[in-house]
Amino acid sequence: DAGITQSPRYKITETGRQVTLMCHQTWSHSYMFWYRQDLGHGLRLIYYSAAADITDKGEVPDGYVVSRSKTENFPLTLESATRSQTSVYFCASSEAAYSNQPQHFGDGTRLSIL
Amino acid sequence: ELKVEQNPLFLSMQEGKNYTIYCNYSTTSDRLYWYRQDPGKSLESLFVLLSNGAVKQEGRLMASLDTKARLSTLHITAAVHDLSATYFCAVDMEYGNKLVFGAGTILRVKS
Repeated sequence: DAGITQSPRYKITETGRQVTLMCHQTWSHSYMFWYRQDLGHGLRLIYYSAAADITDKGEVPDGYVVSRSKTENFPLTLESATRSQTSVYFCASSEAAYSNQPQHFGDGTRLSIL
Repeated sequence: ELKVEQNPLFLSMQEGKNYTIYCNYSTTSDRLYWYRQDPGKSLESLFVLLSNGAVKQEGRLMASLDTKARLSTLHITAAVHDLSATYFCAVDMEYGNKLVFGAGTILRVKS
């Protein structure tokens, strides 16, 4: 089915471990985004990508790394997980800049760091 | 730095009543989005507002945008239980679709 898929849906890991969250979209959207959702903060942008091999920082990028070698994939890596990175992570995509369409969101990954 | 404030953050209302959720933002933008989120679920797009004076309606929900006042409203008419959810507004920082979200309004409609 067309859409945006995140994996895993749930992840428990320990502090100091590396963990990668996957995001795959089938719409061939140019833009992809990673957000984290925490109570009282809404969603905050971590990183975004305007196209393959083009990425940029958002509001809260520290401790995260992204890559985008293919248009359809946008993985997010926590290089050395900390408890403060416990959150729900959402991936989103949109057609292009100046588009009148909203961003489309995946189902989220609930990440717990012990 | 763009700041987006929603109020109220929590709203408990009776079925059949009307109410308005407010979304204020701190810098110039003429692109604003409203999303709905059910518990444990993804975000669903409700409205896309792209100019001053824009008004969109879908069922019991109506959204408007006043870019001069830097204010958007989401009006609920004759609330029903199915509208219970968290509602977010999000303002576009630049035409790269970089969104800044409000903290969200948790709506509970009681029968």
